Amino acid sequence: AQTVTQSQPEMSVQEAETVTLSCTYDTSESNYYLFWYKQPPSRQMILVIRQEAYKQQNATENRFSVNFQKAAKSFSLKISDSQLGDTAMYFCAFMDTSGGGADGLTFGKGTHLIIQP
Amino acid sequence: EPEVTQTPSHQVTQMGQEVILRCVPISNHLYFYWYRQILGQKVEFLVSFYNNEISEKSEIFDDQFSVERPDGSNFTLKIRSTKLEDSAMYFCASLRLSGRVTYEQYFGPGTRLTVT
Repeated sequence: AQTVTQSQPEMSVQEAETVTLSCTYDTSESNYYLFWYKQPPSRQMILVIRQEAYKQQNATENRFSVNFQKAAKSFSLKISDSQLGDTAMYFCAFMDTSGGGADGLTFGKGTHLIIQP
Repeated sequence: EPEVTQTPSHQVTQMGQEVILRCVPISNHLYFYWYRQILGQKVEFLVSFYNNEISEKSEIFDDQFSVERPDGSNFTLKIRSTKLEDSAMYFCASLRLSGRVTYEQYFGPGTRLTVT
């Protein structure tokens, strides 16, 4: 079974600052994807960024980027030039893809990110 | 852009009653999922569904739960005899798994279930 650990229950930064959210995972699988989801107060789950485990290059999506360290099983999210709208819960998630799409996502407990004006 | 829809947005039921939560996945998606999020906690996987049968299920998905795709568009989660601890947000998600595969699951807006 996989586990996902997010060790920061809450973080607070000033607008325009850069913030990094940490995530570690444990698995014996070799085929998997990693994701960061954002959950604003509306509780909608919004995909922020994904990373294929077989790719060494770190994924980037505009102001969002990841630092994927496969050997260390670490998958951190960096948000640059943070904006008030980035305030939300952020969940790290793991998906074992060896069975196609059969496995569900395994989520961490989340980090509540607060962007201060 | 296609999206996953869920109805109702909020359901209040009494303990012991049966509830059916409904989802319409994105039309060309092949895998469907249900997740649960108890307030203030993490999102938990319940079940995955493919080709009209359950693919995987978690320990949470016990005999009181069932899923069905009654027609070509709807995907339902039934809870037979609700308990207070079933109060949670229930998310439906779907996955395309064809073409350029990204394994991105598209989530619906959720159904908030309150058991009194």
